[in-house]
Amino acid sequence: GAGVSQSPSNKVTEKGKDVELRCDPISGHTALYWYRQSLGQGLEFLIYFQGNSAPDKSGLPSDRFSAERTGGSVSTLTIQRTQQEDSAVYLCASSWVAGYSTDTQYFGPGTRLTVL
Amino acid sequence: AQKVTQAQTEISVVEKEDVTLDCVYETRDTTYYLFWYKQPPSGELVFLIRRNSFDEQNEISGRYSWNFQKSTSSFNFTITASQVVDSAVYFCALGNTGNQFYFGTGTSLTVIP
Repeated sequence: GAGVSQSPSNKVTEKGKDVELRCDPISGHTALYWYRQSLGQGLEFLIYFQGNSAPDKSGLPSDRFSAERTGGSVSTLTIQRTQQEDSAVYLCASSWVAGYSTDTQYFGPGTRLTVL
Repeated sequence: AQKVTQAQTEISVVEKEDVTLDCVYETRDTTYYLFWYKQPPSGELVFLIRRNSFDEQNEISGRYSWNFQKSTSSFNFTITASQVVDSAVYFCALGNTGNQFYFGTGTSLTVIP
């Protein structure tokens, strides 16, 4: 596709349920990033992938959060046993060449997660 | 430590006024990258500009201009003759050679018609 796509656009879930958020990067982009943006806040880095591996998982807030990427393309962010504080917009970004931070990140529209 | 500070949380200007959004960064790296993104009410971040640490040349793109000053660790963004469509949250970000990115908390700009 022309840009980064994310699904679903909105997700409402009950506390304690698991959720999966999907990101489809720009075709050919080898680096993929997940961020979290809480209401009125800046972007909190979660994890980034270089190809299918994740050299930096330092931003994952707890072991309830995990992410994977397969085929160097689509990535899934999974949140287990969701808590109300997980409510936020989850943003995905991709960039052209892995390993070079000169490459600009292009963002998807985000998934708005609401945990009741 | 690497950090981006956008001290202005909210700014309101009247249409056609000029406005400058401040960005101050901290890094010990000699090679780094600076970015500005716009997040309109629709929510999707839009890339505006990227600068490399070794290129302090200021840039102008239409009504937008950026002033990069390493001496003060600042990368300020000016919108000339602001328009209502400029209303958005603007984020400044710092990237390093380790593929780590640090975003400021954003400045919410409201342009009043």
